[in-house]
Formats: sequence, C-alpha cells, structure tokens
Amino acid sequence: QQQVKQSPQSLIVQKGGISIINCAYENTAFDYFPWYQQFPGKGPALLIAIRPDVSEKKEGRFTISFNKSAKQFSLHIMDSQPGDSATYFCAALRAGGFKTIFGAGTRLFVKA
Amino acid sequence: DAGITQSPRHKVTETGTPVTLRCHQTENHRYMYWYRQDPGHGLRLIHYSYGVKDTDKGEVSDGYSVSRSKTEDFLLTLESATSSQTSVYFCAISDKGDSEQYFGPGTRLTVT
Repeated sequence: QQQVKQSPQSLIVQKGGISIINCAYENTAFDYFPWYQQFPGKGPALLIAIRPDVSEKKEGRFTISFNKSAKQFSLHIMDSQPGDSATYFCAALRAGGFKTIFGAGTRLFVKA
Repeated sequence: DAGITQSPRHKVTETGTPVTLRCHQTENHRYMYWYRQDPGHGLRLIHYSYGVKDTDKGEVSDGYSVSRSKTEDFLLTLESATSSQTSVYFCAISDKGDSEQYFGPGTRLTVT
C-alpha cells in the first residue's frame, strides 16, 4: 500500500524528443505527488509537483499528467535536451503526513 | 543546496566501527530526514525528526540511530557499521511535513 512503482528504469531519447516516465501508486490517501531531478553527485531537487484536484500541470517543457481513477501519474519532458540527462524520481505523500514515498528512479539519457 | 550541509562528504570505515554523519541546516525548518540511496531502490527513509528531540523510524532503520538536540542539527549514527550499510546518505529538510523536501549534497560511505 505504501509503494510507488516507477517505470522505466532507464530511458534513452534523442534530442528534441519526448521523454515519458510513469508511476503508479496504491494508497488512495496520497494527495501530493512531486517529481525530483537528480544530477550525478548531487542531491535530488524538486522539479514539479501536482495535487489530485487537477489532471495536468505544466511548467515550461515539463508536464505532469495525473489519472486519479487509475492511480497513475506521469512526467513528460517535451523537446528533451542533453542537459535533461539525470535521474528522475516520482514520489507521493499524504496530507498531514511527513513520510515521502519515492519510486525507484529512472535514469534518462538524452542523445545529442 | 538550500542551506543544508552534510559532513563528512566521503568516508571509508571498517566493519564494526561506529560512524556518525552530520546534517546541518540554516533554514530553520522543522522536519529533517535521513535517506539512503542504493541502485534499484531509489531513496529509502531511515529516520526522521519532526522537532527537537522528536524522532521516529523510517522503513530501513535497523542498525541506525539518530539524535536532534538543536533545530539545525540532525545526526545519524551507525553503531557498528556493516558492509550492507555502504551507500550514499542524504539529509533532507522540509518546513511542512506534506510538501517538498530540500536535499543536502550527500555523504558517500564505504564500509570495508
């Protein structure tokens, strides 16, 4: 019930392409879904986040799509760039809680 | 890295020795967390703190203890290090429990 399942484990995309990373959860009490980006040798940093009252949130080239009935959410990176090459983690936590549950991560490589 | 420092940044130690990792923040955030990051497992919560002297266990707390005597410092202790505790350890902070976390730069620990 506490897991967040993330796929794929790794992803190679051509420059200018669309990168898509998917996550699924079980606990319907989750109500905050952040995505973190991590570059090698650095700590993760918040990229974008969504709450389940909306189905989509866009910030620049990054979009979260959220499907509450399916308990799934995904990150889309439009016009992917080599600088986007990093590890991406989806996560979930519930209102009033303070334990973030992370997915296993996706290593994205964008080929120039 | 949002006013968070971790020390040491790298450490090599022998099996059976005690090790203490330090996390220091200048943001005056209430919540502090210790995670370990291992390939294929994402970020797993070891312990967290919701105030001075208020701590609780995460999902992988066996073999670890923590202390928080001041708002700004959160210590993680490995009482008797084992090779399975070789990992990268991240500290994180949050001002509200159910919102984004800010991560430190990490400590790479090798137990030989």
